[in-house]
Amino acid sequence: GAVVSQHPSWVICKSGTSVKIECRSLDFQATTMFWYRQFPKQSLMLMATSNEGSKATYEQGVEKDKFLINHASLTLSTLTVTSAHPEDSSFYICSARGTSGPVGTQYFGPGTRLLVL
Amino acid sequence: KNQVEQSPQSLIILEGKNCTLQCNYTVSPFSNLRWYKQDTGRGPVSLTIMTFSENTKSNGRYTATLDADTKQSSLHITASQLSDSASYICVVSRDTGFQKLVFGTGTRLLVSP
Repeated sequence: GAVVSQHPSWVICKSGTSVKIECRSLDFQATTMFWYRQFPKQSLMLMATSNEGSKATYEQGVEKDKFLINHASLTLSTLTVTSAHPEDSSFYICSARGTSGPVGTQYFGPGTRLLVL
Repeated sequence: KNQVEQSPQSLIILEGKNCTLQCNYTVSPFSNLRWYKQDTGRGPVSLTIMTFSENTKSNGRYTATLDADTKQSSLHITASQLSDSASYICVVSRDTGFQKLVFGTGTRLLVSP
């Protein structure tokens, strides 16, 4: 089956630093990748959608200058949390959509837990 | 407004028992409905997917039903196991030319020994 990986799985950083999270589709080409954020006991909230080679589309209320998304290839997207603050501490999950499978099928990564001190 | 509501919010059952989780949606236009299992600290994993014309789908001990007329779905878990403890998320896909997912808030299931 389609596999999506994320790296790192855990990251702890000081306030003010930038953190980069990678999302890779391991056995398929992902034309579109999605980034979600999930707070404790809440459901996933879509942050942005990125298509390979073009700028990401951000959801309302998500700061594009703070959450930089790059989707430079069909198998890799990165999310950079710039100047992270404690309120950015969350569980970040990416998903990838290819061209096969039922319409709209997204394959989710295992998530990256970010803790900003 | 496109929404997906799940009930109960949380549930505790004894190992070996059955349970049913509910999902009501007001998403339009409807494309398909998925149930995901999300273990703590992990990404969601797909259990079932149903389109408009399908009213039941099974995956091992998991059986999902869909009533497109009443816009309701259920996920039935039989002979629960400790490893079934997780959050179960109902996700409805909107067919707007660009598929967009609408997530439910999930049901947290705890299977107790």
